[in-house]
Amino acid sequence: GDSVTQMEGPVTLSEEAFLTINCTYTATGYPSLFWYVQYPGEGLQLLLKATKADDKGSNKGFEATYRKETTSFHLEKGSVQVSDSAVYFCALDSGYALNFGKGTSLLVTP
Amino acid sequence: GAGVSQSPSNKVTEKGKDVELRCDPISGHTALYWYRQSLGQGLEFLIYFQGNSAPDKSGLPSDRFSAERTGGSVSTLTIQRTQQEDSAVYLCASSFFGRANTGELFFGEGSRLTVL
Repeated sequence: GDSVTQMEGPVTLSEEAFLTINCTYTATGYPSLFWYVQYPGEGLQLLLKATKADDKGSNKGFEATYRKETTSFHLEKGSVQVSDSAVYFCALDSGYALNFGKGTSLLVTP
Repeated sequence: GAGVSQSPSNKVTEKGKDVELRCDPISGHTALYWYRQSLGQGLEFLIYFQGNSAPDKSGLPSDRFSAERTGGSVSTLTIQRTQQEDSAVYLCASSFFGRANTGELFFGEGSRLTVL
């Protein structure tokens, strides 16, 4: 079935470093793609999404571009902050539910 | 509040006991989802409701797991004869969409189940 694979963590970065978290998908069609974030002690929340090829989702300085050629939806941020420390999940729309990756833990140190 | 509410937030039980986990979705959301979050396993889809019906129960790990939704609102996930491998955080989410378009899911904070 349709699925996503994201890079293993944990990822540790210094404040103001550049972030990339890789996500690739396997799907029969072109599903909507999502990044969710789970901050410590909080529930998952939508970070950004893209609904078709070449769309770019963006929010809070994070960006991800839906790339059909490479079946990817990598998450990027130019300058991370300590407050970005969280677990990030890539997901795709299977038509009636979201299929999530295993999550990538990010720790940003001052 | 206006978000998805889950109870209990924490549950410790003995192996072999039954447990019930409750989810109160956002008002007006027709779709409701249960996921399980285990350490190192990410989010595992369990079941999806559209209204009161569950078109897909294939994610339930065994016949010890069941779920129902009444009145198109509150849902209960029941685990019978709990086992230690059932220990996890059980997440509930709701969505305005469903069927052919999932859209954004709104998650509760989860119910952490520990089976001793």
